[in-house]
Amino acid sequence: DGGITQSPKYLFRKEGQNVTLSCEQNLNHDAMYWYRQDPGQGLRLIYYSQIVNDFQKGDIAEGYSVSREKKESFPLTVTSAQKNPTAFYLCASRGLAGDTGELFFGEGSRLTVL
Amino acid sequence: GQNIDQPTEMTATEGAIVQINCTYQTSGFNGLFWYQQHAGEAPTFLSYNVLDGLEEKGRFSSFLSRSKGYSYLLLKELQMKDSASYLCAVLDSNYQLIWGAGTKLIIKP
Repeated sequence: DGGITQSPKYLFRKEGQNVTLSCEQNLNHDAMYWYRQDPGQGLRLIYYSQIVNDFQKGDIAEGYSVSREKKESFPLTVTSAQKNPTAFYLCASRGLAGDTGELFFGEGSRLTVL
Repeated sequence: GQNIDQPTEMTATEGAIVQINCTYQTSGFNGLFWYQQHAGEAPTFLSYNVLDGLEEKGRFSSFLSRSKGYSYLLLKELQMKDSASYLCAVLDSNYQLIWGAGTKLIIKP
């Protein structure tokens, strides 16, 4: 079945460590997104990519990095420069051509800094 | 700036009807989405409106008025499983999604 797979679902990190969250999709979607969600809050855009080897900063990109070496994959690295990384991270994708723009989400990754 | 407003929280009774409103001010408009999100889970798609009017899909309906910058999600015959957050999002002129903060809906027996 087509979909988006995020891993890990739960992750614990010590302060000062970088961690990488994986996001893979087999929907043949051009665009991929990373969002952060804090308790009781809406979705805030971290980074997005509309084409391989190109990505753009969202509203809260500081302390994060991404890569888009393959159409199917859009990993997010939470660096030690991110001062408050404990949050729920959501990866999403959508097609761009002749599409309504509906976003398909992965199951999410919950990161906790110890 | 771009802005989407939704009530923070609403309470309704099982079996009743509830309307969740969303008003928006965005640079351009290419459609409005409603998503449902249960606690600790990813959002799931409910509806998409790009033309004025009402779209009905089972117990859920969504309405759009582009001239008023206004939409609502109508939930009928409420069930306990409808307890969730409901997110309104607008696709702007650059085809980027602008998200509201979400409305937490509490269903009481």
